[in-house]
Amino acid sequence: QKEVEQDPGPLSVPEGAIVSLNCTYSNSAFQYFMWYRQYSRKGPELLMYTYSSGNKEDGRFTAQVDKSSKYISLFIRDSQPSDSATYLCADDSGGSNYKLTFGKGTLLTVNP
Amino acid sequence: NAGVMQNPRHLVRRRGQEARLRCSPMKGHSHVYWYRQLPEEGLKFMVYLQKENIIDESGMPKERFSAEFPKEGPSILRIQQVVRGDSAAYFCASSLNGQANEQFFGPGTRLTVL
Repeated sequence: QKEVEQDPGPLSVPEGAIVSLNCTYSNSAFQYFMWYRQYSRKGPELLMYTYSSGNKEDGRFTAQVDKSSKYISLFIRDSQPSDSATYLCADDSGGSNYKLTFGKGTLLTVNP
Repeated sequence: NAGVMQNPRHLVRRRGQEARLRCSPMKGHSHVYWYRQLPEEGLKFMVYLQKENIIDESGMPKERFSAEFPKEGPSILRIQQVVRGDSAAYFCASSLNGQANEQFFGPGTRLTVL
């Protein structure tokens, strides 16, 4: 299956900063792109998903898709220490409709 | 409103033993997925099951690994004759309608093979 590449980090920012997390994908046939947050020793938690053609905003989180460059971004505004976690991007493996292909994750630390 | 439940949370086995990992999906969910997270690696899809049926097991190792989701009870991921390379976190996810954008994960089972 085709890969999803993700900036490995780690990323360390001060509280209140805007955070940009990025992934690139190779399979143009994907329909959904997901962002998960994973705290240490916990399961991934679904944050939000975008359809292949659009962007999405949910509170402090915005997910963007740039199809021309095959780039997916998650922006976190007014970052909080509680946002400190590993962020995982995933696509649906070329439109499989159920099989997720994950990036390796970016570890984010937000310092108070 | 319980989420996806997995047990045990931690499992230690010696080489050659069997490991059984259990997953109870969210209430009302009939689609179950297993993923494996090796150290320093991303989550990798293993298998997709619906009640009593294996839909896609393309990510399962050909030998020693099996999965089931019986009509009653939790989904089971079974690893026979474990080896050190099986040490990993195993996550189960469930969904209501089998869609990629609605998979909710459990807390995982961390398997250590001595």
